[in-house]
Amino acid sequence: EVQLLESGGGLVQPGGSLRLSCAASGFTFSDYGMRWVRQAPGEGLEWVSSISESGGSSYYADSVKGRFTISRDNSKNTLYLQMNSLRGEDTAAYYCAKVIVVGRNRYIDVWGDGTTVTVSS
Amino acid sequence: AIQMTQSPSSLSASVGDIVTITCRASQGIKNDLDWYQQKPGKAPKILIYGASSLQSGVPSRFSGSGSGTDFTLTISSLQPEDFATYYCLQENSLPYTFGQGTKLEIK
Repeated sequence: EVQLLESGGGLVQPGGSLRLSCAASGFTFSDYGMRWVRQAPGEGLEWVSSISESGGSSYYADSVKGRFTISRDNSKNTLYLQMNSLRGEDTAAYYCAKVIVVGRNRYIDVWGDGTTVTVSS
Repeated sequence: AIQMTQSPSSLSASVGDIVTITCRASQGIKNDLDWYQQKPGKAPKILIYGASSLQSGVPSRFSGSGSGTDFTLTISSLQPEDFATYYCLQENSLPYTFGQGTKLEIK
């Protein structure tokens, strides 16, 4: 069974740091691009970051560029999101997501259950 | 960034109804659009990719159409388990952008 299990969320003060992890199982992790998507309380979904299969390419939303870093360790089947200089508006559930390519279409076919980040003093 | 305008933001309907949700892109995105369903406290779930392709395991009462800037998700006969929030997502260009969501409630 394909599974994504996020961890590392919690309460952090403004300006602080957290590292989220996402442990993947049930598929060949190194064959798939991955993403982080977040959802603030009561709000909609927001794409945060993407990383290629090898980790050689990464992309960020403007709202997190320069503060967040996505990475992956294919030997450990794990995706990471290093979050620095956290702000109140980063408070959200963070979802790890697996991206599949079918023909010329790519989409998220598997989501983790999410981990919650709360930025507050 | 491409803006995705989803409508309506909320919708009340009854079991058995036909429901249509639309997404409009601020510029052409070919067919690079997906539809997701999210239930409270749960992760989203893929329904439709490539504007009109039904994800394996998703009931055939869900269908998608459109290309370019205008897209539609149709639920042909609402079932109790379909009451949820629906989001479109454009995958044509970075940054990927979601619609604001449509909350489908029981009338």
